[in-house]
Amino acid sequence: AQKVTQAQTEISVVEKEDVTLDCVYETRDTTYYLFWYKQPPSGELVFLIRRNSFDEQNEISGRYSWNFQKSTSSFNFTITASQVVDSAVYFCALSEAAVLHNAGNMLTFGGGTRLMVKP
Amino acid sequence: DTGVSQNPRHKITKRGQNVTFRCDPISEHNRLYWYRQTLGQGPEFLTYFQNEAQLEKSRLLSDRFSAERPKGSFSTLEIQRTEQGDSAMYLCASSQGARKQFFGPGTRLTVL
Repeated sequence: AQKVTQAQTEISVVEKEDVTLDCVYETRDTTYYLFWYKQPPSGELVFLIRRNSFDEQNEISGRYSWNFQKSTSSFNFTITASQVVDSAVYFCALSEAAVLHNAGNMLTFGGGTRLMVKP
Repeated sequence: DTGVSQNPRHKITKRGQNVTFRCDPISEHNRLYWYRQTLGQGPEFLTYFQNEAQLEKSRLLSDRFSAERPKGSFSTLEIQRTEQGDSAMYLCASSQGARKQFFGPGTRLTVL
């Protein structure tokens, strides 16, 4: 069975601080995808990134960066120079990389980390 | 750019009543998913459609829940004889094949 753990339930930082959100996952699959989604107060989940299990290169997109370490089953997310608009709940998720044509790619989510960025 | 839409956005009902939610996916997306999110938790998978075929159902989907996607476009999720434990946000997502899932704004259900 798949499982995603986000041990930090809430993080509070002051604007311009860097912050890292932790994600640890469990899966028996050798091929899988990892995701991060942002859920602002409006409630809609916003896609941030998808990585497949064969690509361990770290990725940077503006102030966001992701560190994927297969050896420790972790996929951590760092926001550099945080801003008030970054305040949201962030979810890490996992899905199998379906081999069968009709197999779904259901997402297994972690419990989320609420990030509060204070001015 | 038309995203995933869900109606209604909020629903308040009394215990024992039936409710139905609608999801309109992004038009070219062949896959549609329903998830449920309770307060303070991450979303949990309920069911998955590829075109009009319902291919996967979670154990969370009790007999009181039924979902349809009659023409492979919009989908409905019906809950019969609602219980207070059904109070949650019901999220719909769509994707083209195995690509990333786009989520709608959700329907928040409150059962009194």
